[in-house]
Amino acid sequence: EPEVTQTPSHQVTQMGQEVILRCVPISNHLYFYWYRQILGQKVEFLVSFYNNEISEKSEIFDDQFSVERPDGSNFTLKIRSTKLEDSAMYFCASSSLTWAGEGNEQFFGPGTRLTVL
Amino acid sequence: DAKTTQPPSMDCAEGRAANLPCNHSTISGNEYVYWYRQIHSQGPQYIIHGLKNNETNEMASLIITEDRKSSTLILPHATLRDTAVYYCIVSPSGSARQLTFGSGTQLTVLP
Repeated sequence: EPEVTQTPSHQVTQMGQEVILRCVPISNHLYFYWYRQILGQKVEFLVSFYNNEISEKSEIFDDQFSVERPDGSNFTLKIRSTKLEDSAMYFCASSSLTWAGEGNEQFFGPGTRLTVL
Repeated sequence: DAKTTQPPSMDCAEGRAANLPCNHSTISGNEYVYWYRQIHSQGPQYIIHGLKNNETNEMASLIITEDRKSSTLILPHATLRDTAVYYCIVSPSGSARQLTFGSGTQLTVLP
């Protein structure tokens, strides 16, 4: 069964450093997402991406964040200058819509645990 | 997006049916009801979704009331591995919209 994969599973970085989290969405999916979950808190939406541009983003997704689909398979989230409060689990998701009236089930990866020291 | 209300926790005996309720009284006509679950900080797992009709798949059944203001997720024979936080989410159709996760229901399946 196809699945979303994410690397690395755990990333430790120093405050102020740049990190890139990587995701390989399900191969025929066209819509990609990043969510995060701070320990003990709700899953929060960050950004959605379609046709090589951002579709929607939350207030969390400020100028320190960027997303990219550098090739036909990877989808990345970059945090330019990490802060302590960026420590969280980051989940990538993907979905496929084929007609306007259908549902949009999103399939999530296992997550990357980011620890900022 | 419409908001949902779920009980914070429920217990269920192993082998019994788990019935998880959700209220979504302000749901709009084009909004689907989705159910996801999250097992101990793993990525959320899609379970099932529906618009108006009841739905069933290999994991669960979804019962939506006729007025669509509430729904129930049914796990027919709960196992210990079904212990998780279950999220009921409503979201419009036909668009790659964000999923807004609430606090969900912590289901504990007891041996």
